Amino acid sequence: QAVLTQPPSASGTPGQRVTISCSGSSFNIGTNSVHWYQRLPGTAPKLLIYTNTQGPSGVPDRFSGSKSGTSASLAISGLRSEDEADYYCAAWDDTLSGWVFGGGTKLTVL
Amino acid sequence: QLQLQESGPGLVKPSETLSLTCTVSGGSISSASDYWGWIRQPPGKGLEWMGTINFSGSSSYNPSLESRVTISVDRSKNQFSLKLSSVTAADTAVYYCTRLCSGGVCRLDYWGQGTLVTVSS
Repeated sequence: QAVLTQPPSASGTPGQRVTISCSGSSFNIGTNSVHWYQRLPGTAPKLLIYTNTQGPSGVPDRFSGSKSGTSASLAISGLRSEDEADYYCAAWDDTLSGWVFGGGTKLTVL
Repeated sequence: QLQLQESGPGLVKPSETLSLTCTVSGGSISSASDYWGWIRQPPGKGLEWMGTINFSGSSSYNPSLESRVTISVDRSKNQFSLKLSSVTAADTAVYYCTRLCSGGVCRLDYWGQGTLVTVSS
């Protein structure tokens, strides 16, 4: 059972905007930064968004993040077929004194 | 470009010790501001943080695994390692090594490709 809650699946058609939610508690998301990762089939997870809203260099600005209270969201606009992947959220947890993750959301581009 | 690569046996027998090594290239593991770690994902389940280590060998572990896990660092080889004792089938997972923090910013910015370890007799 993942500490952070994500929907198991999401889908959209090319060009659409899709959002993926990540829900936690005051001990993790409510207090600490949220990071998002993309894992394409057979590859290592890739940092997509860090510190709630920041995109690393090289990540298209079609990907954006937001946080409010104990929840965070990843938005993907202008959906493309190559965005089909698993997406994970992560945050530091003060009670664990370690990292916690969402269960992952499998994004399908229809 | 920093790269991390996991290595070790893909099959471990129940009750034995799982041992994996992460080799870091394109950067130094000895940076005082960097923290490194292991994360695993059992089949069909989510990601689980196992533990963290820095260049001096200071480590911290997930309480759920603390009695069985040891993470160590070998600066001369630019590597850090994971040992998990008394494994069971529940320890079957893809194991990833990661750079958890760098320059005071913790965001798990680099990951290895992951290695599948199966616990089976």
